[in-house]
Amino acid sequence: EAQVTQNPRYLITVTGKKLTVTCSQNMNHEYMSWYRQDPGLGLRQIYYSMNVEVTDKGDVPEGYKVSRKEKRNFPLILESPSPNQTSLYFCASSPGVGNEQFFGPGTRLTVL
Amino acid sequence: EDQVTQSPEALRLQEGESSSLNCSYTVSGLRGLFWYRQDPGKGPEFLFTLYSAGEEKEKERLKATLTKKESFLHITAPKPEDSATYLCAVQERDTGGFKTIFGAGTRLFVKA
Repeated sequence: EAQVTQNPRYLITVTGKKLTVTCSQNMNHEYMSWYRQDPGLGLRQIYYSMNVEVTDKGDVPEGYKVSRKEKRNFPLILESPSPNQTSLYFCASSPGVGNEQFFGPGTRLTVL
Repeated sequence: EDQVTQSPEALRLQEGESSSLNCSYTVSGLRGLFWYRQDPGKGPEFLFTLYSAGEEKEKERLKATLTKKESFLHITAPKPEDSATYLCAVQERDTGGFKTIFGAGTRLFVKA
């Protein structure tokens, strides 16, 4: 089944404790992206990747890191999480620019 | 500043009462305009892609149209199962690649 998977689905952590949210797609897509969704603000793009080893900042990259060492994986790293990073996070993939994005199920992160 | 604005924020309809959702955008180098549907607790699901002014796409009770400054999602004779949040997004050329900007969404409630 074609899909985007994210892990974990739920995470409660404390300020400053490094964490990684994994994202994997099995559709051989080139474009991958991370978003956060907050009430009233909609989805905001954190980082995106056009292909392996190519990543670019979205609108809200501060406090996040990403890497794209393999085509299928695009992990999101929070080196020192803070409470303002409490949010619902979505990973998405797309065959390429100008194509629709396929979204994962989401990761609900709470930083205390 | 590049932005995507959706209106209304919320819309309540009776079953069978047709209406339209609006998405206005101010971006340069538009690569595509996308409509997604999002159910509570889930990731967005793709509905339509529009690429140029004058283009229209249709699927069941939904029809999307595009002008140079806005897009409309027309819902004809809606049913309760059409209740969801409808998201509009644009993909535009950025300095490094192509980023995606989402609107805040329109929450649609259809009452039987």
